Parts: sequence; structure tokens; C-alpha cells
Amino acid sequence: KAGVTQTPRYLIKTRGQQVTLSCSPISGHRSVSWYQQTPGQGLQFLFEYFSETQRNKGNFPGRFSGRQFSNSRSEMNVSTLELGDSALYLCASSAGLAGGGDTQYFGPGTRLTVL
Amino acid sequence: GQNIDQPTEMTATEGAIVQINCTYQTSGFNGLFWYQQHAGEAPTFLSYNVLDGLEEKGRFSSFLSRSKGYSYLLLKELQMKDSASYLCAAAYNFNKFYFGSGTKLNVKP
Repeated sequence: KAGVTQTPRYLIKTRGQQVTLSCSPISGHRSVSWYQQTPGQGLQFLFEYFSETQRNKGNFPGRFSGRQFSNSRSEMNVSTLELGDSALYLCASSAGLAGGGDTQYFGPGTRLTVL
Repeated sequence: GQNIDQPTEMTATEGAIVQINCTYQTSGFNGLFWYQQHAGEAPTFLSYNVLDGLEEKGRFSSFLSRSKGYSYLLLKELQMKDSASYLCAAAYNFNKFYFGSGTKLNVKP
């Protein structure tokens, strides 16, 4: 089975711009979660999508949004970029089982640099 | 969010044993995951515990005590390639996941 893929791998943007990141989960997985990772904050949960619906949401401002398509691929959008948005953005794929035991498998990440 | 606590950094010698502890809040808890992350790479899944006790997988073992809100990852016969960050993640009701900040393990010769 192919793993989780993310595109692009690297992005450089300037403040005020917007960006869209893409994630393709493992075949058969219906849940996609997004995380922001920075040296100071560790892995911060952004949101989770399951069957095209946002099922969970972290504590990020509304500039961060996402969606999921019928084939389970997901996109994350960040509008009005700020310098502090520079981070590694990871997506994680899982079967979407409720009640624990739902192992998340991570993609390689998109390294976003905001200048 | 839930507080997931683990030490920031540890150092151990090649061939030795190291234990990385993790504590979490027990309310709504469903299971505990450990991930390994090498610098510049994505986290990779190591282990999952849902019941109390020890799960062994080769050189790596993970322990869980649900009543105490405590887990540890035990790495035996340390190798240089084990130098990485180890992330503890707790799963809660409604598929909520919370990660600790990670423990950076330095293995020295």
C-alpha cells in the first residue's frame, strides 16, 4: 500500500498571501488530520476530516481551513499568511474508527516558510 | 486541550537501556501511542497501548497504567540510529488526539 503523500514538500510565501496544501491518505483510510509542528510548540492539532466532514477542530484562528473530497483527499488552506505560520505542516491518515485504537500514519509534511 | 507531559531531552549510551515517561489526563482517555521522529522527517508509529501492562516489540516496549495516567517507552540495546525525538500521544473520546512536545533522545558512543 502506498503511504500518505503531501504536496508540495516545500513552499516559500510572503506575508499576506494565501496557501493551499494537499494530502492524499492511505488507500481505504477515511480520516485525515492536520497538524502544525514548530520547534517551540511541538505538534499542534489543526483539524480532522472524516467522510468529507470536519469532525474535530483545534484552537487555530479562522485563517486556517480545510476540506475533504469524496476520494478522502484533503486540502488545507491558510489565508493572510503571517510570519508565525512558518512551520512543518503534517497530515495524518487513519481508518477513522471511533473510540481509540485508530493509528495515525503521517505524511512527509510540507515545509512552509513565510517571509 | 489535554496536558501530555514528557521530558524534553534525555541522553544515554549506546548499548544501554532508556525509559521515556509520559503522563496524561485520564478523563475520556481511550489509548496511548508512541511515535519516533528523526530530525527533518515525519513521525513514524511505534506502539499502541489500550490495556494496562507491557507491550513488547523487539528492542522497544511500551507500558500503560490507565488508573495512574502514566505510560513509558523502554528502549533496550540502544543504537546510534535511535537518536530521535519520541512523541507520546493520547487518544480521547470522539477521536481527539493530543501529542506531547516530544522527548529528544541523544545516544552517545
